[in-house]
Amino acid sequence: DVKVTQSSRYLVKRTGEKVFLECVQDMDHENMFWYRQDPGLGLRLIYFSYDVKMKEKGDIPEGYSVSREKKERFSLILESASTNQTSMYLCASSRHRAGNTIYFGEGSWLTVV
Amino acid sequence: DAKTTQPTSMDCAEGRAANLPCNHSTISGNEYVYWYRQIHSQGPQYIIHGLKNNETNEMASLIITEDRKSSTLILPHATLRDTAVYYCIVRGGNDYKLSFGAGTTVTVRA
Repeated sequence: DVKVTQSSRYLVKRTGEKVFLECVQDMDHENMFWYRQDPGLGLRLIYFSYDVKMKEKGDIPEGYSVSREKKERFSLILESASTNQTSMYLCASSRHRAGNTIYFGEGSWLTVV
Repeated sequence: DAKTTQPTSMDCAEGRAANLPCNHSTISGNEYVYWYRQIHSQGPQYIIHGLKNNETNEMASLIITEDRKSSTLILPHATLRDTAVYYCIVRGGNDYKLSFGAGTTVTVRA
């Protein structure tokens, strides 16, 4: 079974803090994704990586950055957390060919106060 | 991506089959039908996908009509743990991302 593991399920951070969300997948997938999911807004892509050290902006990259130093690990960084970044963050991965099944992690609930 | 239409909600009795419909009348030839579900407060879980033929795995069966304009996800013996929001998605072979609609909220009752 594909396993996508997100390091933290629930986090509470203060406005202005730097936040790291870590994700690891164990299936040697080339593609990794970070989404956020909000009620009424659905799933929105933040960043996408198709290889180590490669990244592409998704639909809502502002206020976020990412790091992919190893194939299995994809990190999402909130440089200076704000209350409008309170959300559920979902990491996902898939094989390189577009259209391959995307598998999600359990999600990280971030609250910024 | 082609859009999909699903009922907002449906109830199902525990132990019975749950049949979840999805319309995707604008689907094009190289687009797949994917199903995911999301249990409250958890990440989306992949269920099954298909192109033209019916598919079955350990979780569910997917029936796609011959004209590919609609499909049905079948959970053969629903349990309380199948209570979730189910998303039907149409996705092209070149698409690397997903977008979910509102989905169908399925409630399995004892």
